[in-house]
Amino acid sequence: EAQVTQNPRYLITVTGKKLTVTCSQNMNHEYMSWYRQDPGLGLRQIYYSMNVEVTDKGDVPEGYKVSRKEKRNFPLILESPSPNQTSLYFCASSFGLAGGLQETQYFGPGTRLLVL
Amino acid sequence: GNSVTQMEGPVTLSEEAFLTINCTYTATGYPSLFWYVQYPGEGLQLLLKATKADDKGSNKGFEATYRKETTSFHLEKGSVQVSDSAVYFCALSATYGQNFVFGPGTRLSVLP
Repeated sequence: EAQVTQNPRYLITVTGKKLTVTCSQNMNHEYMSWYRQDPGLGLRQIYYSMNVEVTDKGDVPEGYKVSRKEKRNFPLILESPSPNQTSLYFCASSFGLAGGLQETQYFGPGTRLLVL
Repeated sequence: GNSVTQMEGPVTLSEEAFLTINCTYTATGYPSLFWYVQYPGEGLQLLLKATKADDKGSNKGFEATYRKETTSFHLEKGSVQVSDSAVYFCALSATYGQNFVFGPGTRLSVLP
């Protein structure tokens, strides 16, 4: 089944404790992206990747890191989480040349993070 | 910069009522426009899209027409069902290889 998977689905952590949220897709997509969803703000893009070893900042990259060593995986790293990073996180991917204008994005199920 | 504005919710309708959710955008160039839907506890999934002016996207009884003159992409459905209760996001992709921009989402509740 074609899908985007994220792990963990739920995570409670404390300020400053490094964490990684994994994202994997099995559709051979070139383009992958991370979003955070907050009430009243909709989805805001954190980072995106147009292909292996190619990443770029989205609208809200502060406090996050990403890497794209393999085509299928795009982990999101929080080196020193803070309470303002409490949010619902979505990974997404799409076909084609770096997510061209017409390409649909396929979303993972989400990771709900609480930073105490 | 590029942006999407959509009507704030929540929108509450009775079953079989007519639905309109307004969406307007600001973008350079010629964006593609999308409506995504998020059912409770799930990720977003594509509902419909349109890639050029005057295109009409449609799916599951929902429709939206790309209006370049009014920079709008309003979502409509003639008769909503309880199962349509969800959050609806308008989005655009305006620059090759660049990021998507989403609106804030509109929560729809349909009562039996």
